[in-house]
Amino acid sequence: QVQLVQSGAEVKKPGASVKVSCKASGYTFSSYDIHWVRQASGQGLEWLAWMSPNTANRGVAQKFQGRVTLTRDTYTDTAYMDVSSLISEDTAVYYCARGRLYGGNSYFDYWGQGTLVTVSS
Amino acid sequence: SSEVTQDPVVSVALGQTVRITCQGDSLRIYYANWYQQKPGQAPVLVIYDKDSRPSGIPNRFSGSSSGNTASLTITGARAEDEADYYCQSRDTSGNHWVFGGGTKVTVL
Repeated sequence: QVQLVQSGAEVKKPGASVKVSCKASGYTFSSYDIHWVRQASGQGLEWLAWMSPNTANRGVAQKFQGRVTLTRDTYTDTAYMDVSSLISEDTAVYYCARGRLYGGNSYFDYWGQGTLVTVSS
Repeated sequence: SSEVTQDPVVSVALGQTVRITCQGDSLRIYYANWYQQKPGQAPVLVIYDKDSRPSGIPNRFSGSSSGNTASLTITGARAEDEADYYCQSRDTSGNHWVFGGGTKVTVL
């Protein structure tokens, strides 16, 4: 069955960076995009970025450009998101999700369990 | 425009029907998709491509769209349907993805 398993919770100081991993299994990793979404406590979902594991093409929401870096390892079927220059407002649960594309429509059919990133001095 | 908007709170009596709406310019171009999220859990896709249900999603969930508005309808709401529901689409450029602010559905 399709699974996305994320790395564990992180506590970081302001100004530091965090790297979250997302290991895929149960499907051909290179055939589907990986998206990253975050959710602050009590808040809604916020889309951050996407990456094609096949081509390494990627896109980042304007708000996060310059701070979010996406990479992948096709040998271990793992996607990574690095967020730099952390501030307290980056405290949130970060999710990876598998992207499906049909015509022009695009949606997320499987999600990781989420990784809590806490930014605190 | 890059925004899609939802009503923040909706309530429904047990067994009744509730419609959740999502509005935005991008919905004239791209379909809305809908996710259910319960406390402490990851979101779950319940409707995609405007009106399709993934395997395992009950048929009391349905989707529709007209103009710049998409809707998720729960027909015969159950207690377990109490959750936050998010619509999602692409922005008008097609280069970014957007979520609505979410609708909290309370089943009375």
